[in-house]
Amino acid sequence: AQKVTQAQTEISVVEKEDVTLDCVYETRDTTYYLFWYKQPPSGELVFLIRRNSFDEQNEISGRYSWNFQKSTSSFNFTITASQVVDSAVYFCALARNNAGNMLTFGGGTRLMVKP
Amino acid sequence: GAGVSQSPSNKVTEKGKDVELRCDPISGHTALYWYRQRLGQGLEFLIYFQGNSAPDKSGLPSDRFSAERTGESVSTLTIQRTQQEDSAVYLCASSTRLAGGLTDTQYFGPGTRLTVL
Repeated sequence: AQKVTQAQTEISVVEKEDVTLDCVYETRDTTYYLFWYKQPPSGELVFLIRRNSFDEQNEISGRYSWNFQKSTSSFNFTITASQVVDSAVYFCALARNNAGNMLTFGGGTRLMVKP
Repeated sequence: GAGVSQSPSNKVTEKGKDVELRCDPISGHTALYWYRQRLGQGLEFLIYFQGNSAPDKSGLPSDRFSAERTGESVSTLTIQRTQQEDSAVYLCASSTRLAGGLTDTQYFGPGTRLTVL
């Protein structure tokens, strides 16, 4: 069975601080995919990143960066110089390498960035 | 282009009534998914459609839940004899199909917030 754990249910930071959202996953598959989605107050999930289990290279996109470590089964997400617009619930998700690739979601981390 | 759309955006119903939720996937996306998100929780997979193949219903919580999709177009999720525990946001996602039968990244609609009184 697959499982995704986001231990931080809520994080509060002040604008311009860096913040890291943790994600730990469990799977018996050797090939799988990891995702991060953002859910702003409007409710719609916004896709941020997709990672193949064979690609452990870290990725940076603007103020966002992701650290994938298979050794610890973690896929952490860092926001540098946070902004109020980053306030949202962030979900980490895992998909098997099969037709359908249904997503198993973590419980989400609510990030509040205060001005 | 247009994203995934869902209707209605909000639905309030009385316990015991049936409800239908609609999802319009992104044009050209062959795969369609339904998820449920209870208040303050992550999303739970309900059902998956891929083209004309038999749907994967492994996530449906009870036989009161069913869904249909005609070809690669609109899908309808039906909940019969609604219960208060069915109150949640129901999200639809669609994706394209990759080589080897895998599916690409899922893109989500805005959801339908269902409240059962």
